[in-house]
Amino acid sequence: EAQVTQNPRYLITVTGKKLTVTCSQNMNHEYMSWYRQDPGLGLRQIYYSMNVEVTDKGDVPEGYKVSRKEKRNFPLILESPSPNQTSLYFCASRPVQGLGSYNEQFFGPGTRLTVL
Amino acid sequence: AQKVTQAQTEISVVEKEDVTLDCVYETRDTTYYLFWYKQPPSGELVFLIRRNSFDEQNEISGRYSWNFQKSTSSFNFTITASQVVDSAVYFCALSSSGNTGKLIFGQGTTLQVKP
Repeated sequence: EAQVTQNPRYLITVTGKKLTVTCSQNMNHEYMSWYRQDPGLGLRQIYYSMNVEVTDKGDVPEGYKVSRKEKRNFPLILESPSPNQTSLYFCASRPVQGLGSYNEQFFGPGTRLTVL
Repeated sequence: AQKVTQAQTEISVVEKEDVTLDCVYETRDTTYYLFWYKQPPSGELVFLIRRNSFDEQNEISGRYSWNFQKSTSSFNFTITASQVVDSAVYFCALSSSGNTGKLIFGQGTTLQVKP
């Protein structure tokens, strides 16, 4: 089954404790992206990657890091989480070839993060 | 700058009523793409439809229909004969053309359909 998976689905942590949210897709998509969803703000892009070893900032990158060492994986790293990073996080992927950004983005199930 | 506005934060209807969710967008691009996603209470994001800026044809899919009007920069979504299962948060999103185009989401509209 074609899918994007994220782990963990739920996480409660404390300020300053480094954490990683994993994202993996099995559709051989080149483009992957991370979004955060906050009430009243919709979803906002954190980082994206066009392919292996190619990453770039989105609209709200502060406090986050990403890496793309393999095509299927795109982990989101919070080196020193703070309470304002409490949010619902989504990973997404889509093809680059053909329709480019007109391609549908496939979203993971989301990770609900609480930073105390 | 690109922007998507969904002015309706919450809508409540009774089952079988028709309901329209508004979406207004801003962009300076001549080529752009519009999307609608549904987020049911379980939390996942479900793709509903996409439209490119050169295709103003309205779309109907079962009880769902979409009205794209470039003249008013709107891409509205109508559910006919709503059902309880339609209860969800609905997002409208905009993307520029090109491979790096990201999705710019509206704030979302929470639709509650009461039995």
